[in-house]
Amino acid sequence: DAKTTQPNSMESNEEEPVHLPCNHSTISGTDYIHWYRQLPSQGPEYVIHGLTSNVNNRMASLAIAEDRKSSTLILHRATLRDAAVYYCLIMEYGNKLVFGAGTILRVKS
Amino acid sequence: EPEVTQTPSHQVTQMGQEVILRCVPISNHLYFYWYRQILGQKVEFLVSFYNNEISEKSEIFDDQFSVERPDGSNFTLKIRSTKLEDSAMYFCASRRGGSYNEQFFGPGTRLTVL
Repeated sequence: DAKTTQPNSMESNEEEPVHLPCNHSTISGTDYIHWYRQLPSQGPEYVIHGLTSNVNNRMASLAIAEDRKSSTLILHRATLRDAAVYYCLIMEYGNKLVFGAGTILRVKS
Repeated sequence: EPEVTQTPSHQVTQMGQEVILRCVPISNHLYFYWYRQILGQKVEFLVSFYNNEISEKSEIFDDQFSVERPDGSNFTLKIRSTKLEDSAMYFCASRRGGSYNEQFFGPGTRLTVL
C-alpha cells in the first residue's frame, strides 16, 4: 500500500484559507489521491479526489504536483465546522482505504 | 441526500457473546466495507464485499468475524464471540461502481465489550 506523510497538526484562523500538505512519493501511475475528514465523534467523510489534474468541488480544492509525489488540500475559507482530522489516502485498484494518523486541523475564531 | 445508516448506535455486550452490527448502504451502491476505529487510534480496514462475496479482508478479520448481505438493503457484520479488544467504533461504508470512486461512511456503531 502506498504510504502518505502528513503533518500531525495545523492551525488556522477562521475565514482564512488553509493548505493541508501530503507527501506520497511511492504513488503508482494509476493510483488516485483521496482526501477524507473525520469530525469529532463522526465517521470519515469524503472530501475530494483526483488523479493528475487539480480538482475543485463545493468543499475544497485539490492541487496535485506535476510528479504526483505530493498534493495539497485547500480549504478556501476555514470555518469552525472544518475543525477535524484530515486524511490523505492513496486509493489503489481494489479500493480499500488505508488510513494513517492524518492532520488534526484546529480553527481559531 | 442518500446516506449510509447504521444500527445500533451503541451496543454493549458481555465478553464471549455474539453481536451483529447492521448497516444500510446507499441503495444503488455495489461495494460495501467495514472499518473499525479503536478509541484514539487509526481507522482500520476490516473487509470489503462485492457481488455477494468477500473481495478482500485484513488480518483483523479472523474466523470470529463474518459479513452478510441477507437481502437487497442490509449489510451486516457479525462477531461470533466478542473479546475485550473488539471494543471500538465500527464504520460501514459503501460506494457505487467504478474503480476509484469515493466511499460513503455511516455514523458508526460503538461496541463496548465488558
